[in-house]
Amino acid sequence: KAGVTQTPRYLIKTRGQQVTLSCSPISGHRSVSWYQQTPGQGLQFLFEYFSETQRNKGNFPGRFSGRQFSNSRSEMNVSTLELGDSALYLCASSIAGVDEQFFGPGTRLTVL
Amino acid sequence: AQSVTQLGSHVSVSEGALVLLRCNYSSSVPPYLFWYVQYPNQGLQLLLKYTSAATLVKGINGFEAEFKKSETSFHLTKPSAHMSDAAEYFCAVSDRESTDKLIFGTGTRLQVFP
Repeated sequence: KAGVTQTPRYLIKTRGQQVTLSCSPISGHRSVSWYQQTPGQGLQFLFEYFSETQRNKGNFPGRFSGRQFSNSRSEMNVSTLELGDSALYLCASSIAGVDEQFFGPGTRLTVL
Repeated sequence: AQSVTQLGSHVSVSEGALVLLRCNYSSSVPPYLFWYVQYPNQGLQLLLKYTSAATLVKGINGFEAEFKKSETSFHLTKPSAHMSDAAEYFCAVSDRESTDKLIFGTGTRLQVFP
């Protein structure tokens, strides 16, 4: 069974631009969660989607948004990029209600 | 609010020595607890999890962890370190109603010397 895939793996943007990251969960997984990993703040929960609905949200500004499609694929969008948004963005999928998340390799975003 | 504290951002051991990575949690109700490992330029891989079954949990690659409610701890151990264990390890907690929202510790980087 294929694992969680994230595209692109690497991305370079400039301040003020916006970016969209994509996550394809493991087949059959309906829950997708997003995390931001930085050296300073560590791993922080962004949001979680299940059946195209956001169920949980972390403490991030409204510039960070996401959505989930009917095939469970998810995208997250960051608008008006700031230098501090440079991070590894990790996506995880799970069979909702089961206690294990499977992580993708991440998208490394660099904001110049 | 739930939280986890990992004592020691860096741990160094010799190959063959005991590995002990510490994790303490804060939660008003018994949580679910997890240990994840991250190798360079990769995502996170689940090592083991505690979900209120046996308090001694065995995971992959010879790792195990013991849930101690009285100490609010969930330390990760491995009897004999291998060079391939060098990585960053994260302890995480979730509550039973939102298992898809993990709260992570700050991580412990494990170095293994020959």
